[in-house]
Amino acid sequence: DAGVTQSPTHLIKTRGQQVTLRCSPKSGHDTVSWYQQALGQGPQFIFQYYEEEERQRGNFPDRFSGHQFPNYSSELNVNALLLGDSALYLCASSLTAEQYFGPGTRLTVT
Amino acid sequence: GEDVEQSLFLSVREGDSSVINCTYTDSSSTYLYWYKQEPGAGLQLLTYIFSNMDMKQDQRLTVLLNKKDKHLSLRIADTQTGDSAIYFCALITGAGGTSYGKLTFGQGTILTVHP
Repeated sequence: DAGVTQSPTHLIKTRGQQVTLRCSPKSGHDTVSWYQQALGQGPQFIFQYYEEEERQRGNFPDRFSGHQFPNYSSELNVNALLLGDSALYLCASSLTAEQYFGPGTRLTVT
Repeated sequence: GEDVEQSLFLSVREGDSSVINCTYTDSSSTYLYWYKQEPGAGLQLLTYIFSNMDMKQDQRLTVLLNKKDKHLSLRIADTQTGDSAIYFCALITGAGGTSYGKLTFGQGTILTVHP
């Protein structure tokens, strides 16, 4: 079992650009959640997808959007990037109470 | 909203026990977790406890839950240098409390283990 995988590993973007991050869940998991972790902080919940729909959303602006595909993989899109969007973006997958995280995508906005 | 607090630093000697503490405000939290994060890496699920339990033991790890005081702790027995990392307490809040519902994290405790 490959576990949760994310791509790319690192990404550098310029302010105002758009970015797409990808996540493949652990085999058999149907729920994908996205988190943002700023340096020195705990992860903050962005949103969660189940059955291709956004089921719950945290306190993030509409610039953050997502999608879940029929194979349960997911994308996180961020539009109009700001310097403050620089962070580690983590994807977690779950089937029951256990949420497993991927290695994350480090996004740097310059 | 939910508030989760952890002390920022803990330093122990190799072979000693480590105890990492966490307090929270939402008494309706149903699942409570401990995650480990090493530098530049994602989060590793260590263990979790359901809110109707007081204690859970898993090899060197012991989780204690005091619902009255809203206090969660993680004890690591025989701490090794490889245990040096950031440890996060997290709770399931929101509807259902099972596979849905967001995780709310504390700010993390940096554990340093000295030889």
